[in-house]
Amino acid sequence: ILNVEQSPQSLHVQEGDSTNFTCSFPSSNFYALHWYRWETAKSPEALFVMTLNGDEKKKGRISATLNTKEGYSYLYIKGSQPEDSATYLCAFRTSYGKLTFGQGTILTVHP
Amino acid sequence: DTAVSQTPKYLVTQMGNDKSIKCEQNLGHDTMYWYKQDSKKFLKIMFSYNNKELIINETVPNRFSPKSPDKAHLNLHINSLELGDSAVYFCASSQVRLTGAYEQYFGPGTRLTVT
Repeated sequence: ILNVEQSPQSLHVQEGDSTNFTCSFPSSNFYALHWYRWETAKSPEALFVMTLNGDEKKKGRISATLNTKEGYSYLYIKGSQPEDSATYLCAFRTSYGKLTFGQGTILTVHP
Repeated sequence: DTAVSQTPKYLVTQMGNDKSIKCEQNLGHDTMYWYKQDSKKFLKIMFSYNNKELIINETVPNRFSPKSPDKAHLNLHINSLELGDSAVYFCASSQVRLTGAYEQYFGPGTRLTVT
């Protein structure tokens, strides 16, 4: 059974704070690591797909890093805004397209 | 323009009924998926089709049967619905590449309630 663990489960920050979450995953049979942003009542929105050890991706104030040897990825948000409030999911991909999701980190940014 | 669409968005039905959920993608992708969001809010893969061929079939009761009439559609048919089938079902699609660097795009979900 694949275990994808995310921490923390939930996080409350003030507007302007920078924050980061962790995703840990098995280090064997790795194909890709996905990050998604999921707002309530909407569909998960793809943020990043990372495939290589040491990958770093950036989209605006959000960035992510990947360490496949030790099995973890970090997602960073710089200068959090209330509109960043969402659940952030990571998913580990092994065989042909199968994603195994973590339970998510619920971020709430207070104005 | 909705990339991945599902119908219906909400479905309320009684135990024992048979129902279908439809999914369509207009992205030209070759692979489609069905996920179930369980009671703990986890998203879990159920099925995947690539070019109309079943490639992922997780441990799902055989009351659930996916059908892919063409690359752009993947429907989910559920027979003899049970209370435990109540969940949100998400469809997704992707264009698989050998590099592995491809995303899956999700539909808006179908909330199924079995009474």
